[in-house]
This record gives sequence, structure tokens and C-alpha cells, in this order.
Amino acid sequence: EAEVAQSPRYKITEKSQAVAFWCDPISGHATLYWYRQILGQGPELLVQFQDESVVDDSQLPKDRFSAERLKGVDSTLKIQPAELGDSAMYLCASSSGADTQYFGPGTRLTVL
Amino acid sequence: GENVEQHPSTLSVQEGDSAVIKCTYSDSASNYFPWYKQELGKGPQLIIDIRSNVGEKKDQRIAVTLNKTAKHFSLHITETQPEDSAVYFCAAGYSGAGSYQLTFGKGTKLSVIP
Repeated sequence: EAEVAQSPRYKITEKSQAVAFWCDPISGHATLYWYRQILGQGPELLVQFQDESVVDDSQLPKDRFSAERLKGVDSTLKIQPAELGDSAMYLCASSSGADTQYFGPGTRLTVL
Repeated sequence: GENVEQHPSTLSVQEGDSAVIKCTYSDSASNYFPWYKQELGKGPQLIIDIRSNVGEKKDQRIAVTLNKTAKHFSLHITETQPEDSAVYFCAAGYSGAGSYQLTFGKGTKLSVIP
């Protein structure tokens, strides 16, 4: 069964450093989502792509976060500079049209 | 925007008993209601979903009911097993630009006691 791949699985960094997360969606899925999940809460949408275009990034803190999906396949989410409050699980999901969102295993970020 | 409330936050049941988790939503435009199960260290996994044109859906031991008038939906797990122990999230979504945007509840930690 096809899965959403994410790397790294765990990342520890110091505040003010730059970090990047990578996501490879299920093959053929045009829609890709990045979520942030704070411990003990549900996922919150950061950005949504349709192919290579951003559909919604209204919840993305654009002063420090950026996301790209240059060829409409895999995607990278970057934080620069990282802050203590950025510690969370970053989840990637993909879907084919108005269908189920399939999640990857996530990247657990710890900012020291 | 959409707001999803989920209750209870924790739930303990004896193996074999039933578990019920309830969610309410605020946006009447929402028309898609999935439930996800998240095990420790893993991403959420869809277990069942329902769309606004049906009131109930069942898949083996799992069922979901939807009351659009009252804006609430519920997850029912019967004959619970220890492997059902996990965090469960409800979500509400609406279709835009050919895809769904989901708003999640805060989760329910279910513990099934053998």
C-alpha cells in the first residue's frame, strides 16, 4: 500500500537555527498538506498545495516559515529561525481530489 | 472559521465494552466528517468517514452517526479490544478547490483495559 514519506523522523535543533522537513506524497496525489500538531492537540493546517500552487497558507507564519512544492510532487517545509514554541510534530498529508487525506509518520521537532 | 469541539478528552473502558466519542462543529457549510486514530509516534490514520448526505455509517465494530441539524457527530466502537487503545481525532471539512480542508478536534485518549 502506498504511503506518504517524511524525513527526518526526529530533529533536534537550537533556537535561531534553520530546519527543513521533506515530504513525498502518495504517487498521483495532486493535493499536499502540511500540518503542525502540538502535543495533546489535533493537527492544525499550515499550508495546502494543489500541484505546485499554494491554495491556502493563511495559517503559515510567513516571517519564519516557508513551503515549496516546485515540481508538484515532493515538498519542503522550512523554519528559519526556529523558536522554542516551534517544538511540535510536523505532519504531511496528501489526497487525490475531494478524497481521504493520508498522513505520513511526521517529523518530531524539538527546539532547545 | 470552523471550530470543532471533542469530548471526552480521556476515556477508559473495559475490554469488550463500547466506547463513544462525541464532536460538535460550528460551520454549517462543513460536509465531510472523518475520524482518525493516532498511535504513539505515528501519523493519524483514517478509520471511518461520513459525508453530509448520510446519517450513519458502519464498518465492522466501528460506526459513525451524524446529525446535521444539531451539528454533531459521534464515533461508536463496540466490543473494544486492547489494540483499540490510541488517540482518536474527529474532524470537519468542506470541499474547496477540489479538495477538503479539515479542522480537527483536540483528541480523545482511549484506554481499553484488558
